[in-house]
Amino acid sequence: DIQMTQSPSSLSASVGDRVTITCRASQSISNFLIWYQEKPGKAPKLLIYGASSSQSGVPSRFSGSGSGTDFTLTVSSLQPEDFATYYCQQSYSPPWTFGQGTKVEIK
Amino acid sequence: QVQLQQSGPGLVKPSQTLSLTCAISGDSVSSDSAAWIWIRQSPSRGLEWLGRTYYRSKWYNHYATSMKSRISINPDTSRNQLSLQLNSVTPDDTAVYYCARSGKWGEVLDDYWGQGTLVTVSS
Repeated sequence: DIQMTQSPSSLSASVGDRVTITCRASQSISNFLIWYQEKPGKAPKLLIYGASSSQSGVPSRFSGSGSGTDFTLTVSSLQPEDFATYYCQQSYSPPWTFGQGTKVEIK
Repeated sequence: QVQLQQSGPGLVKPSQTLSLTCAISGDSVSSDSAAWIWIRQSPSRGLEWLGRTYYRSKWYNHYATSMKSRISINPDTSRNQLSLQLNSVTPDDTAVYYCARSGKWGEVLDDYWGQGTLVTVSS
């Protein structure tokens, strides 16, 4: 199975901060990388697919980059509604696998 | 538009079988452009991909390695739905279970999730 490792596991940030979350795959996954935002009691919200393609309706402050094994999700200016947990997921080779998540908390 | 309606018990006893159904409207379980997946969500384990089924001239299934010995995902073309069965459950299987429709990149659009079912494993 392809292992997905996110860092950091958690971070504290302030509104307006630039935040970067990294995701590393245990082998190359080309650009088959998805980012979701998770909030309690809700289904995951799709942010990015294909490593860098933004889902329609997602604010432009969210961006994704990377290919091969190393990927990043960047929030250019953190907003109050962005405090949540973020997951990367590979869809290159089944079984698809998630990272362990990165919890973004208010500083 | 696609709608996914989940049904099944919210409480399962340890060692028994968890069974959930996902009724699909607005699309076909036999669609050749979608895959139908089950994911679960728990505070202790985060998001966990359980498996998928899809049709491309024939049916394919893939399962999470940790689940392979006790999971089954089956399409029901007559009822246009899919099911999840997880055998020999333990309290560690307590989670919110979601069915979803994934696209070309494996992505699940916001409107393509079931409503989620909280399943508690307890005696």
